Amino acid sequence: DADVTQTPRNRITKTGKRIMLECSQTKGHDRMYWYRQDPGLGLRLIYYSFDVKDINKGEISDGYSVSRQAQAKFSLSLESAIPNQTALYFCATSDPSGGVGNQPQHFGDGTRLSIL
Amino acid sequence: SQKIEQNSEALNIQEGKTATLTCNYTNYSPAYLQWYRQDPGRGPVFLLLIRENEKEKRKERLKVTFDTTLKQSLFHITASQPADSATYLCALDEGGYNKLIFGAGTRLAVHP
Repeated sequence: DADVTQTPRNRITKTGKRIMLECSQTKGHDRMYWYRQDPGLGLRLIYYSFDVKDINKGEISDGYSVSRQAQAKFSLSLESAIPNQTALYFCATSDPSGGVGNQPQHFGDGTRLSIL
Repeated sequence: SQKIEQNSEALNIQEGKTATLTCNYTNYSPAYLQWYRQDPGRGPVFLLLIRENEKEKRKERLKVTFDTTLKQSLFHITASQPADSATYLCALDEGGYNKLIFGAGTRLAVHP
């Protein structure tokens, strides 16, 4: 079983709809992240959470919100989807016990989201 | 402005040769730099991490260098194999807080 699981894997929806992407992990890591990936661009950080009570905006948080329901679960919501939010979305985790700078991130396999 | 540059064109090499991928950055001061591999339809997978005070790091057939004066990291795969074909991403970590800044990646194709 995958350590970081994202659901759904694919989603097609219409402009204006509310969408939730879910991420769950079995790695026991405190830190979780949401990124989006667009062709020709690097992964861009949307939100990150260093523990259940700590949620922070990333580089491109406008139009998105998140919820950290438990250590293992971190959801990303698009309140009113628009076509330029069509992208590949990735969830990741990291373990802070590795020390400063020594925290490789572990990614799920992504959700491909298309907004018509 | 701040930017991270990786070769946008695919790198095509022959099996058995050494692949060298480049990551250049401008107006960042990363304390750490990470390399990831990404296969089509999959999430990135961590490969190597190097600190600013380390010149070189090795893991099996992989080698990473980090030159903070040139603002460049090089990623080498020796004795390359077709199974090494993938997109390789570099990521900067400025303060060690694990807020990574990713390059767009370079696609490597290793031909038999």
